Amino acid sequence: DTAVSQTPKYLVTQMGNDKSIKCEQNLGHDTMYWYKQDSKKFLKIMFSYNNKELIINETVPNRFSPKSPDKAHLNLHINSLELGDSAVYFCASSQDRAEWRPSTDTQYFGPGTRLTVL
Amino acid sequence: AQKVTQAQTEISVVEKEDVTLDCVYETRDTTYYLFWYKQPPSGELVFLIRRNSFDEQNEISGRYSWNFQKSTSSFNFTITASQVVDSAVYFCALSDVYGQNFVFGPGTRLSVLP
Repeated sequence: DTAVSQTPKYLVTQMGNDKSIKCEQNLGHDTMYWYKQDSKKFLKIMFSYNNKELIINETVPNRFSPKSPDKAHLNLHINSLELGDSAVYFCASSQDRAEWRPSTDTQYFGPGTRLTVL
Repeated sequence: AQKVTQAQTEISVVEKEDVTLDCVYETRDTTYYLFWYKQPPSGELVFLIRRNSFDEQNEISGRYSWNFQKSTSSFNFTITASQVVDSAVYFCALSDVYGQNFVFGPGTRLSVLP
């Protein structure tokens, strides 16, 4: 069984459209993440979310919004898509807890969604 | 502002050689997290390690080891007896203890030749 899954794998759309990428994890983890990797392979974390707190990277435009219907899902909604949104988006999850954590807390990644905005 | 530097853009080694990937970071925080990630040619992301700044003990996991030196703000990653499957881009990253101000380095592309 896939631990972290994302749909779709590829998404091609026009500028100005609104789109969503879905992420599901079956690991029972408390925390989920969205990362963006642009065409130059630069990585950026966009959000981390558990059932208590959403942490937003302040550089992420408010056109991007994570939505979590339940602990196993963290979907990414993007409004008014722009050319610069073209990238690969990775979802991840980890078993984080509110208290101080041990030195390693593995994140499990989905396969990525390649978004192309035309 | 937080910053991560990976000065080595690309490294090539021959299989079975040891290789060290450098990571130097800048932060004003006294406590923070450091990370390493691997991205093989297939494109998936693989989380390797998260280390908190309280723990300066070196970490070893099989052929992988990490050397955290707070005095020099470095968190270097060594692969012992490298294998072709280690060929990938490796990213170092830094965040504050709240998971904010999360920054990645530009990555180091490691090629292990047979």
